[in-house]
Amino acid sequence: KAGVTQTPRYLIKTRGQQVTLSCSPISGHRSVSWYQQTPGQGLQFLFEYFSETQRNKGNFPGRFSGRQFSNSRSEMNVSTLELGDSALYLCASSESTSQYFGPGTRLLVL
Amino acid sequence: EDQVTQSPEALRLQEGESSSLNCSYTVSGLRGLFWYRQDPGKGPEFLFTLYSAGEEKEKERLKATLTKKESFLHITAPKPEDSATYLCAVQATGGSYIPTFGRGTSLIVHP
Repeated sequence: KAGVTQTPRYLIKTRGQQVTLSCSPISGHRSVSWYQQTPGQGLQFLFEYFSETQRNKGNFPGRFSGRQFSNSRSEMNVSTLELGDSALYLCASSESTSQYFGPGTRLLVL
Repeated sequence: EDQVTQSPEALRLQEGESSSLNCSYTVSGLRGLFWYRQDPGKGPEFLFTLYSAGEEKEKERLKATLTKKESFLHITAPKPEDSATYLCAVQATGGSYIPTFGRGTSLIVHP
């Protein structure tokens, strides 16, 4: 099976802009989770979608949002970007207990 | 609140020098404990899932073990290509399936 794919791989944005990241899970996986990874905070959970419904949400401001489509593909959106949003954004898909991560999207906010 | 502490934060080994990484956890009930390997700028790569105390799993030079309070990732005769950050995560019973991650151990293996 093909692994988790994420696009784009790299992004450079300026403060105040918005960004949309995309994730395609492993075929057959219905759960998609998003994480933010920074050197200072490590891996932090953003939200999880299962069958097009947000099932869990982490402690991030409302500027961070997401959605999942009927084919399980997921997008996350960050509005009004701040410098502190610079990070590696990771998507993970799962079928049961184990999560499989994509390569991530490296976002740099200038 | 679920907690995961990994030690040491960083570890430097010579090629062939075996060692162990530690993952201590506090969770109300353990559904699963996961080990990942992460190379710089890449997503974590799944290594193992352990479910109950006493369980062991092996893959090449890596062996993961689990007790009721901690897990060890043993690296036997490491090679430079084993250099990476190793992440541990726990998933609790009940509630969500969202795992809690440790901060990782950065391993460098010198030739």
